[in-house]
Amino acid sequence: SQTIHQWPATLVQPVGSPLSLECTVEGTSNPNLYWYRQAAGRGLQLLFYSVGIGQISSEVPQNLSASRPQDRQFILSSKKLLLSDSGFYLCACTTGANYEQYFGPGTRLTVT
Amino acid sequence: DAKTTQPTSMDCAEGRAANLPCNHSTISGNEYVYWYRQIHSQGPQYIIHGLKNNETNEMASLIITEDRKSSTLILPHATLRDTAVYYCIVRSPNTGNQFYFGTGTSLTVIP
Repeated sequence: SQTIHQWPATLVQPVGSPLSLECTVEGTSNPNLYWYRQAAGRGLQLLFYSVGIGQISSEVPQNLSASRPQDRQFILSSKKLLLSDSGFYLCACTTGANYEQYFGPGTRLTVT
Repeated sequence: DAKTTQPTSMDCAEGRAANLPCNHSTISGNEYVYWYRQIHSQGPQYIIHGLKNNETNEMASLIITEDRKSSTLILPHATLRDTAVYYCIVRSPNTGNQFYFGTGTSLTVIP
């Protein structure tokens, strides 16, 4: 079965600094990959999804971007963080006929 | 945008069945209903999914109404570890199979 790795687990960054969060997937190939954000006490917000290398769809216009340089690698980036970027960032993948989503452990980002 | 409606919170006594409702009145004929749960500070965990028929696995049962406009997730014997936020999601089969999570139902299992 697939395993999703995310790092770092926690991150504290000042406003205006850059961001790079990495997600890698093991145990499967050609997965659909997703980035979600969860603000404190809120539901999950879909940010980006990717159906293949170099293919990124954005759900919410903002100062974040995503890239998929390899089949099982998904990166979330920002050039300049805002306070509102604080939250719990989750990477997920879907694979197989039933397309259930599997989630990574998440990265808790605090922008100060 | 999420296409489901769930109660904000529910309580359930330990050992009793927890019945979590979900309304998805605009569901299309080829869309599946998925249930996930999220324990505090963890990533969501897949529970079960279905299209038309009722489904059961080791975690839960999913009852879908005949018109498919609503469903109920049943945890047959709730334990304290079942305390979590439960999300009901309708999956779009088009363009990347996006999953849209709403705010879910916060279930508290009471000793």
